Amino acid sequence: AQSVSQHNHHVILSEAASLELGCNYSYGGTVNLFWYVQYPGQHLQLLLKYFSGDPLVKGIKGFEAEFIKSKFSFNLRKPSVQWSDTAEYFCAVNGRDSGTYKYIFGTGTRLKVLA
Amino acid sequence: DAEITQSPRHKITETGRQVTLACHQTWNHNNMFWYRQDLGHGLRLIHYSYGVQDTNKGEVSDGYSVSRSNTEDLPLTLESAASSQTSVYFCASSEGLAVPGELFFGEGSRLTVL
Repeated sequence: AQSVSQHNHHVILSEAASLELGCNYSYGGTVNLFWYVQYPGQHLQLLLKYFSGDPLVKGIKGFEAEFIKSKFSFNLRKPSVQWSDTAEYFCAVNGRDSGTYKYIFGTGTRLKVLA
Repeated sequence: DAEITQSPRHKITETGRQVTLACHQTWNHNNMFWYRQDLGHGLRLIHYSYGVQDTNKGEVSDGYSVSRSNTEDLPLTLESAASSQTSVYFCASSEGLAVPGELFFGEGSRLTVL
């Protein structure tokens, strides 16, 4: 069965600090990878996605993620965070499992950026 | 603009009552999903549908049911609400038949079971 692990549950950073959030998945087949963000009081929205091609993908608001197939990882990065990046971040995997595609989310990482 | 709407946004009910959460999307997406969000568990998949008359169980489907009679709607029913079902519920949809793409989420429905 598919699974997604996000190792950092809570992260606190000062503005301008660099960010890296870890995401590892367990699945042997072809997968599509996503990062979603949930700002306080809002619904989830897509930050970036990887389907194929260049393993370094760029998303909205200066975020990027690198797919490393050998490590089953899809870590999220941002060189310099802002107070407005305070949110919860979810890694998600979409792959075939028992004949159907399922979307599986990690447990999320709560990021707090101090002004 | 296309959107996905959930109702009610907030509901308080009692143990044992039947509750239905509505989800309506105007994206004309084939795929629809229901998740629950709980602290420490992230989003967990309850049920999903890849088209009209198609429904599938997710990882936490016990006590929940869905039906898909048209493309736009996927109502989630709690047959007999339990306190463990107190949660925030998100409906989502995506296009694509063979490989579901980006998920578009509703605003969420906060359910409290007393």
